[in-house]
Amino acid sequence: EEQLVQSGGGLVQPGGSLRLSCTASGFSVTSTYMIWVRQAPGRGLDWVSVVYSGGAKFYADSVKGRFSISTDSSKNTMYLQMSGLRGEDTAMYYCTKTQGSGWYFDTWGQGALVTVSS
Amino acid sequence: DIQMTQSPSSVSASVGARVTISCQASQDVRSWLAWYQQKPGKAPKLLIYAASNLQSGVPLRFSGSGSGTNFTLTISSLRPEDFAIYYCQQGNLFPITFGQGTRLEIK
Repeated sequence: EEQLVQSGGGLVQPGGSLRLSCTASGFSVTSTYMIWVRQAPGRGLDWVSVVYSGGAKFYADSVKGRFSISTDSSKNTMYLQMSGLRGEDTAMYYCTKTQGSGWYFDTWGQGALVTVSS
Repeated sequence: DIQMTQSPSSVSASVGARVTISCQASQDVRSWLAWYQQKPGKAPKLLIYAASNLQSGVPLRFSGSGSGTNFTLTISSLRPEDFAIYYCQQGNLFPITFGQGTRLEIK
């Protein structure tokens, strides 16, 4: 069974940094497209970043230059390093993966809450 | 970016009722459309992909249709566990975008 387990998250001051982790089981994080999606409190879903199986990385304009996505095959884990955090980054962050046949997300982590506040 | 607009924003229905939720894309997304269900405090769950394909394990009362810019999610006979928020998502063009959600409530 494919599964994603997240860790990280918490309360951070504006301008601070935080790293989220997403550990996979049942598949390799380097064999598919791995994605971060976030959901502000009471709001909808927004794509944040993707890392392709070939290593290419892309970011939403709202986080470009501040967030960095990466994978570690030895730990079968994906990371989201967040810096220069702002109040509008406050959200539940989910990791997910694409289904083999397209840009559809079939397995999700449980979520990690990031709160940016002084 | 492709804008995804869902209607209605919320709907109330009774157990056993048939419900349809619509999703309109601001430009052609062909059949690259998915539907997700999200319950409070939980991650989204993939229900339908490629507009009309039922994800493994999803009950047959869920169905999807449409192509191009207009899509629908239909629940044929509501069960208590179906009351949740539903999102559409296009996967045709980067960046991936989601609809604003439709809240399905018990009448």
